[in-house]
Amino acid sequence: GDSVTQMEGPVTLSEEAFLTINCTYTATGYPSLFWYVQYPGEGLQLLLKATKADDKGSNKGFEATYRKETTSFHLEKGSVQVSDSAVYFCALGGTSYGKLTFGQGTILTVHP
Amino acid sequence: DAGVIQSPRHEVTEMGQEVTLRCKPISGHDYLFWYRQTMMRGLELLIYFNNNVPIDDSGMPEDRFSAKMPNASFSTLKIQPSEPRDSAVYFCASTSGLSQETQYFGPGTRLLVL
Repeated sequence: GDSVTQMEGPVTLSEEAFLTINCTYTATGYPSLFWYVQYPGEGLQLLLKATKADDKGSNKGFEATYRKETTSFHLEKGSVQVSDSAVYFCALGGTSYGKLTFGQGTILTVHP
Repeated sequence: DAGVIQSPRHEVTEMGQEVTLRCKPISGHDYLFWYRQTMMRGLELLIYFNNNVPIDDSGMPEDRFSAKMPNASFSTLKIQPSEPRDSAVYFCASTSGLSQETQYFGPGTRLLVL
């Protein structure tokens, strides 16, 4: 079945550091890929997505490229801010329309 | 758009009591999802509906849990009787065919069963 594996956290960085959160997936067919972010005390919200191979999703300085050859969708940001502290979830969709398979989440803490 | 609305935002109850969580999806969305989030188990899909019909309830932990969607604008998740291990944050999310599978989450209901 479909599955998503994220790098284990928590991840702790200093402000302006470079961020990478790894995500790999297993799926049949050609899934869409997503990154969601959850700020403290809130629900998940879409950060970015990509619907086909080689697409790059981007938002708020974050980027991720859909790599079919390596079945990966790693999240990157060149310079993190304290306000980026949150839990980040990688997800895939496509096998059952509308249903998403989520990774376990990665906690990011950014210190001033 | 008001987004997905959940109520109550916080619920504290005693073991054995019935708990009902409510969700109003985004107008026009035809898929609705119920999730549970805990530190130990992460984010779990409990059940989801399409056009008010349950499609997959394999994530419902046991018979104490039930969910209904009587119309396109309202859904409930009920736990009867509640147990301390049900303490978690419960999220509702919705989507539609036009959203390309992007799910929109509500703010969640934080449930504490004493």
